Amino acid sequence: LAKTTQPISMDSYEGQEVNITCSHNNIATNDYITWYQQFPSQGPRFIIQGYKTKVTNEVASLFIPADRKSSTLSLPRVSLSDTAVYYCLVGDKDNQGGKLIFGQGTELSVKP
Amino acid sequence: DAGITQSPRHKVTETGTPVTLRCHQTENHRYMYWYRQDPGHGLRLIHYSYGVKDTDKGEVSDGYSVSRSKTEDFLLTLESATSSQTSVYFCAIRTGEYNSPLHFGNGTRLTVT
Repeated sequence: LAKTTQPISMDSYEGQEVNITCSHNNIATNDYITWYQQFPSQGPRFIIQGYKTKVTNEVASLFIPADRKSSTLSLPRVSLSDTAVYYCLVGDKDNQGGKLIFGQGTELSVKP
Repeated sequence: DAGITQSPRHKVTETGTPVTLRCHQTENHRYMYWYRQDPGHGLRLIHYSYGVKDTDKGEVSDGYSVSRSKTEDFLLTLESATSSQTSVYFCAIRTGEYNSPLHFGNGTRLTVT
């Protein structure tokens, strides 16, 4: 059973900011939250990871509230090339962090 | 690039035949994973390994077996392929211990006719 819940799909337009929220109500104390991006016919690639508050890199920002039961991936000024599926993933404390199960992901479609 | 190679990249096989997919890493990371992905579905964990000879089942392990006799190779075997195992198979490694991100290979597209 996946530990995360995300919207199945989202639409946006070029130049807009996109926020994708992930719910992880049962996140463990030691778990980080990691986001991945997947283009068609490719393996997912790591985007950003965080534990609490806010993390920012050259690609995205990640906002994590104090209770850590959700997280929001923020993509500033999206372009057509940001059209992809985005997954959030949390750890697995019951199996030494090994059994990493993805949720359904969010399919982002960016339109001109 | 985390140095992951999957082979073969594409394979077509007949129902009932055995198939082995290989995942090779160059950096001696402890954790390795096999996922499958079907159209309209996310990634589903088949098996994972946390060291040589140490493996465990994932969400959809029926019909699959794995072996890890050395750190760098993680093999996925379909003992008797079925059409329902037609899928894209991704290998991933974790580049450190708990909470380290996953790095994925380019996938193997398997078609069972």
